Amino acid sequence: NAGVMQNPRHLVRRRGQEARLRCSPMKGHSHVYWYRQLPEEGLKFMVYLQKENIIDESGMPKERFSAEFPKEGPSILRIQQVVRGDSAAYFCASSPQGAHWERAKNIQYFGAGTRLSVL
Amino acid sequence: GENVEQHPSTLSVQEGDSAVIKCTYSDSASNYFPWYKQELGKGPQLIIDIRSNVGEKKDQRIAVTLNKTAKHFSLHITETQPEDSAVYFCAAKASAGNKLTFGGGTRVLVKP
Repeated sequence: NAGVMQNPRHLVRRRGQEARLRCSPMKGHSHVYWYRQLPEEGLKFMVYLQKENIIDESGMPKERFSAEFPKEGPSILRIQQVVRGDSAAYFCASSPQGAHWERAKNIQYFGAGTRLSVL
Repeated sequence: GENVEQHPSTLSVQEGDSAVIKCTYSDSASNYFPWYKQELGKGPQLIIDIRSNVGEKKDQRIAVTLNKTAKHFSLHITETQPEDSAVYFCAAKASAGNKLTFGGGTRVLVKP
């Protein structure tokens, strides 16, 4: 059973370009979370999505950032007009909400991340 | 919102000794507390978790304790091995909502 798959692993963009980060959740998972990690810091929540719905975007910057999780295909985190401050590692996690056992509802499984560098 | 503080930020121990990492949280509604291990260049991996209806949980060399009254929880690693060297993160999740709030991380170095 493949884990959470993120691509690309590394992404280099020049200031003003767009960055698209993809996340395929674990098989059977329908809930996706995006977190950002700056160097030497902890992970900061950005957005929580279910298929075709944004449930909680309280951690998303108001401008330039958007996320989607379509009915078919991976979740996409999109950053428009990137700036140097966007350089970070972006992690996706998925969870098996709706499982029969309560414990499983809380567990978030993380992908290996996308490291974005803005030149 | 929730705030999670984690200490120490770095921890160096001799192989075979124990390592203890402590976290405090601010939201008394938090009811789930996972610990993640992150190795260089990789994503966080869940190593142990605890729910608010349990005070202690153990899995081989790893144990976690939770004090709801004081709003703090700790990770204990016994008989440390070089492969335990990594960055460890604590996190908390409120009963309402699904987002995890992470501590700042502890870089653990186990010296052979």
